[in-house]
Amino acid sequence: SAVISQKPSRDICQRGTSLTIQCQVDSQVTMMFWYRQQPGQSLTLIATANQGSEATYESGFVIDKFPISRPNLTFSTLTVSNMSPEDSSIYLCSVEVLTGTLNEKLFFGSGTQLSVL
Amino acid sequence: LAKTTQPISMDSYEGQEVNITCSHNNIATNDYITWYQQFPSQGPRFIIQGYKTKVTNEVASLFIPADRKSSTLSLPRVSLSDTAVYYCLVGEVADKLIFGTGTRLQVFP
Repeated sequence: SAVISQKPSRDICQRGTSLTIQCQVDSQVTMMFWYRQQPGQSLTLIATANQGSEATYESGFVIDKFPISRPNLTFSTLTVSNMSPEDSSIYLCSVEVLTGTLNEKLFFGSGTQLSVL
Repeated sequence: LAKTTQPISMDSYEGQEVNITCSHNNIATNDYITWYQQFPSQGPRFIIQGYKTKVTNEVASLFIPADRKSSTLSLPRVSLSDTAVYYCLVGEVADKLIFGTGTRLQVFP
């Protein structure tokens, strides 16, 4: 398993500002992911955070808006830039853990609830 | 990428068995089926995973027919604390997993 600490747990931000969300894992993991979950909705994958290289973004998400860092195998950050009220959402960090003969499992942090005024 | 279809919501009472079925008609040969549970204000939590036939753990059972085009998550004797959203995911690698709408299970006393 993996224990994920995500900070901050919640924040209220002003339009036009940026917020950086931190994700710390208690063990080294290869794959880290950032998801967004809008109120009452399912999870949407934003990007895969690759250690030592640029993140891989999903359709509809761009690096200028959601820059990601992955300096080592236990840590990643997601920045939500130039925020607007439409960015109000829960942002979740996730890691992949390989489990022997089974496929990988995803472990999630508790999320960052972001409200943009 | 295999798309999944689940009921939007289900209601049950404490002590009953709940079966949530997920359809995944275009599942690929290397795809696994994984179920996650999500409580409000928390990230999803792994419940169970399988490839074919039946898998059982301390929390749930997963039934997968031979054609693998569907799967059923079975929760025995649910309690109020099982009220959550349950997601069925199908895929081979984590970065290609797509969360569907999920099934919102409400357990009543």
